Amino acid sequence: AQSVTQLGSHVSVSEGALVLLRCNYSSSVPPYLFWYVQYPNQGLQLLLKYTSAATLVKGINGFEAEFKKSETSFHLTKPSAHMSDAAEYFCAVSSVGGSQGNLIFGKGTKLSVKP
Amino acid sequence: NAGVTQTPKFQVLKTGQSMTLQCAQDMNHNSMYWYRQDPGMGLRLIYYSASEGTTDKGEVPNGYNVSRLNKREFSLRLESAAPSQTSVYFCASSGWTGGLETQYFGPGTRLLVL
Repeated sequence: AQSVTQLGSHVSVSEGALVLLRCNYSSSVPPYLFWYVQYPNQGLQLLLKYTSAATLVKGINGFEAEFKKSETSFHLTKPSAHMSDAAEYFCAVSSVGGSQGNLIFGKGTKLSVKP
Repeated sequence: NAGVTQTPKFQVLKTGQSMTLQCAQDMNHNSMYWYRQDPGMGLRLIYYSASEGTTDKGEVPNGYNVSRLNKREFSLRLESAAPSQTSVYFCASSGWTGGLETQYFGPGTRLLVL
């Protein structure tokens, strides 16, 4: 069975500081991995996705994530936080074949950005 | 192109009442999904439909029914609402972009069951 663990339900950074949101996955087959962002009172928006084409994936709003098979990790980073990055972030893994019929979400990490 | 739309945005029910949450997408996607989101629990899949005319249970289907009315619409019904069904409900549809099937979410329906 596949699963996702997001370390830290809340992360707080200062504006301009590095953002690092951690995600570890468990999968018996090559995974397809995603990061979504949810702004207050809105639905989820896709940030980026890993499709095995490249281990470093660049997404929208300056975010990127690196797939590390040896660490079973897919951490999300951004070099310099902006106030507008304050939101909840979800890591997710999909089932075999890239179909999202059984997309499994982590419990989310809420990012706060201090001025 | 509105993407995924959901109605209503908010709803308050009394225990035992029934209601249907509506979802529609205009992206010509085959697959559609219903999730519930609870604090500290992430999103959990209730039901999904891989194509028109088919539906399958997800992680938490008890107390819900779904109907894939046509390719565009996928509704979620609560026959007898319970306080444990207080949640935010998200509908999603998925299509192929960049070589991978990707889900797109609606804005959500906030449901309070008293």
